[in-house]
Amino acid sequence: AQKVTQAQTEISVVEKEDVTLDCVYETRDTTYYLFWYKQPPSGELVFLIRRNSFDEQNEISGRYSWNFQKSTSSFNFTITASQVVDSAVYFCALSEAAGNKLTFGGGTRVLVKP
Amino acid sequence: EAGVTQSPTHLIKTRGQQATLRCSPISGHTSVYWYQQALGLGLQFLLWYDEGEERNRGNFPPRFSGRQFPNYSSELNVNALELEDSALYLCASSWVARGDGYTFGSGTRLTVV
Repeated sequence: AQKVTQAQTEISVVEKEDVTLDCVYETRDTTYYLFWYKQPPSGELVFLIRRNSFDEQNEISGRYSWNFQKSTSSFNFTITASQVVDSAVYFCALSEAAGNKLTFGGGTRVLVKP
Repeated sequence: EAGVTQSPTHLIKTRGQQATLRCSPISGHTSVYWYQQALGLGLQFLLWYDEGEERNRGNFPPRFSGRQFPNYSSELNVNALELEDSALYLCASSWVARGDGYTFGSGTRLTVV
């Protein structure tokens, strides 16, 4: 069975600090997909990134970066120079096949104070 | 391009009643997924519909059911509502054959009193 663990339930930082969100996953499949979503107070889940299990390249998109390490089953997310607008709940998720259901971690609430 | 739309935004029902939630996927997406986000329980997978068929179901009782229409829109029905059914219900759509990711709607907040 697949499982996603986000050990940090809440992180509080001051604006411009960097923040790293941890995500550890479990799956028996060799092909799988990992995701990060942002959930602002409005409730909608905003897609941030998708990574398949064969692509271990780290990715940077603006102030966001992701570190995928199959050896430790981790897919961590870093926000550089955080801003107040980054305050939200962030979810890591796993899908064991294209189109199959997403299994979500418990989420990490990020609070960025001015 | 319009995103995933859900209606209604808010719904208040009495225990024992039935609730119907609706979802319109992104144009061209054939798969619709339903998730429940109850307070303190995270996001739980409910149902997956693709091409009008139920493809997968989460660990929920049979009073949670749904369907997908020929235009790929979907309905989630919750019968015999219980207080613990109060939650945010999120719908997502995807085009599986194209390997698309999942796009979520803003959700329906169901309150059972």
